[in-house]
Amino acid sequence: EIVMTQSPATLSVSPGGGATLSCRASQIINNNVAWYQQKPGQAPRLLIYGASTRATGIPARFSGRGSGTDFTLTIRSLQSEDFAVYYCQQYNNWPPGGSFGGGTKVEIK
Amino acid sequence: EVQLVQSGAEVKKPGESLKISCKGSGYSFSNYWIGWVRQMPGKGLEWMGIIYPGDSDTRYRPSFQGQVTISADKSISTAYLQWSSLKASDTAMYYCARQSSGSYYDPQDYWGQGTLVTVSS
Repeated sequence: EIVMTQSPATLSVSPGGGATLSCRASQIINNNVAWYQQKPGQAPRLLIYGASTRATGIPARFSGRGSGTDFTLTIRSLQSEDFAVYYCQQYNNWPPGGSFGGGTKVEIK
Repeated sequence: EVQLVQSGAEVKKPGESLKISCKGSGYSFSNYWIGWVRQMPGKGLEWMGIIYPGDSDTRYRPSFQGQVTISADKSISTAYLQWSSLKASDTAMYYCARQSSGSYYDPQDYWGQGTLVTVSS
């Protein structure tokens, strides 16, 4: 099973600042990576798929890049609603449904 | 509008059985894989398994094989997650989620609101 490792575990950012979250896969997964946002008490929400394509309704301040094994999610000009936990996910290989990273919590500095 | 609506929170004792549900609407339920994700308290997301309601083809993550049963009734657009004998370690939030297209190697574009299962004596 492919292991997804996210870093850092926690990122402290001032409102209006930027954040770059990293995700590394234990094997090459092409660009079959998604990013999700989860706020307390809510279900995850799809932000990015195909490593760099924003899902419907996702603001342009969210961007993803990467291929192979290394991927990043960048959030520009953080708004109050962006403070949340972010998960990367590979859906290139087993298991069906994919495997998630451990998450990065973006908190207010 | 696509929606996945899950059944309500449950409080059970160890050894009891449980079946929770996820009802889809606003799309062709039979034609999209739908799966279940566990989130233990304060922890991350884990895929448990996935089902294709059109023919009930089901795949489990090895660590969940034999521990739970996933099923679906396409006539009422509902997927299920079932335990025959709950353990305290099954205490978690459970989400259903739809694959974004016809493959189980896809991201999940719609999620249910979650069902909190608490197992305690």
